[in-house]
Amino acid sequence: TQLLEQSPQFLSIQEGENLTVYCNSSSVFSSLQWYRQEPGEGPVLLVTVVTGGEVKKLKRLTFQFGDARKDSSLHITAAQPGDTGLYLCAGSNQGGSEKLVFGKGTKLTVNP
Amino acid sequence: EAGVVQSPRYKIIEKKQPVAFWCNPISGHNTLYWYLQNLGQGPELLIRYENEEAVDDSQLPKDRFSAERLKGVDSTLKIQPAELGDSAVYLCASSLGSIATGETQYFGPGTRLLVL
Repeated sequence: TQLLEQSPQFLSIQEGENLTVYCNSSSVFSSLQWYRQEPGEGPVLLVTVVTGGEVKKLKRLTFQFGDARKDSSLHITAAQPGDTGLYLCAGSNQGGSEKLVFGKGTKLTVNP
Repeated sequence: EAGVVQSPRYKIIEKKQPVAFWCNPISGHNTLYWYLQNLGQGPELLIRYENEEAVDDSQLPKDRFSAERLKGVDSTLKIQPAELGDSAVYLCASSLGSIATGETQYFGPGTRLLVL
């Protein structure tokens, strides 16, 4: 069973601070996705990374896929209260299995 | 464009009662997924449909759970009988194609089930 470990589990910061959350596995993934989920809603896709070492930027969010495609990070610059939510990483594995494996998520709270 | 629609949004039942959830995917999306999300956890796949065919139901507890996707559009997920441990959020998602083709999954808001 492929597992994705996310850290930290909870993060509470002040508006304007920077933060990084991590997604780690002992398994190789063919692609990895990051989602944000707000209370009472389903997850919304933020980004998909597919190449080892790949870096993608989405406004103040920077996503990186590890060289070995076993880990990923999400960095937020100058966090805002609107960034509050549950950040989930999800990986799809090689070999044709079309199943997304989700981590438990990092619950981020950005205080004004 | 309308997103994935799920109903009901909330459901409270007593244990041993049956319950059903309904999902209407985004128009034209051939692939439909049902996920289970426990409190403090990420979603876990229960079943995946390609059109009307269930192509992955390996994680569906078949003794009490059933699902159908008639005509390859709407889908229902049923639990009978419900147990206390079934209290969770049931998410439906849809995509044009499959993960293998890089298609994005769009999630509905979920049905929050509480079994008393």
